[in-house]
Amino acid sequence: AQTVTQSQPEMSVQEAETVTLSCTYDTSESDYYLFWYKQPPSRQMILVIRQEAYKQQNATENRFSVNFQKAAKSFSLKISDSQLGDAAMYFCASQTPRAQKLVFGQGTRLTINP
Amino acid sequence: DTGVSQDPRHKITKRGQNVTFRCDPISEHNRLYWYRQTLGQGPEFLTYFQNEAQLEKSRLLSDRFSAERPKGSFSTLEIQRTEQGDSAMYLCASTPPEKLVQYFGPGTRLLVL
Repeated sequence: AQTVTQSQPEMSVQEAETVTLSCTYDTSESDYYLFWYKQPPSRQMILVIRQEAYKQQNATENRFSVNFQKAAKSFSLKISDSQLGDAAMYFCASQTPRAQKLVFGQGTRLTINP
Repeated sequence: DTGVSQDPRHKITKRGQNVTFRCDPISEHNRLYWYRQTLGQGPEFLTYFQNEAQLEKSRLLSDRFSAERPKGSFSTLEIQRTEQGDSAMYLCASTPPEKLVQYFGPGTRLLVL
């Protein structure tokens, strides 16, 4: 069974600064994928970034990057140069090709202070 | 590409009534997923389809819940004899062939009084 844990219910950051959201996961599968999804207030869930477990290089998408520590089963999201539009719930999720479904963490609510 | 759409966006019903939600996936996406999200929590998997075949159902999907995808295009999720505990956001997502990334719809927010 897969589990995903986000231990930070809320985080806040000043606009233009950097923030890191934590996530740990557990799986017995060797082939899996990790994702960060963003859910703005009253808006739909959108993909921020994904990481294939077999890739050692950390994924990067513009201001968003991950720190994937496979041995520690840790998958944190770093947001650089935070913008007001980054304010949202952020969910870490895992998926295996065999199980197909996404398993989500509890979420972290990110507030951006102007 | 118009994205995943869901209808209705909001539904208020009385306990004991039946409700049905619809999801239209992105064109040519062969896999379709349903999730339930309660306030302040992450989404929980309910069921998924590959084309018209329902391949997995969560234990969360009690016998009051039924989902269909009759022609491998849109899907419906029906809840019979609704209970207050069914109040949640019901999310639909779809995936193109040979890909893993799921694209989510806006959700249907259900309130059972």
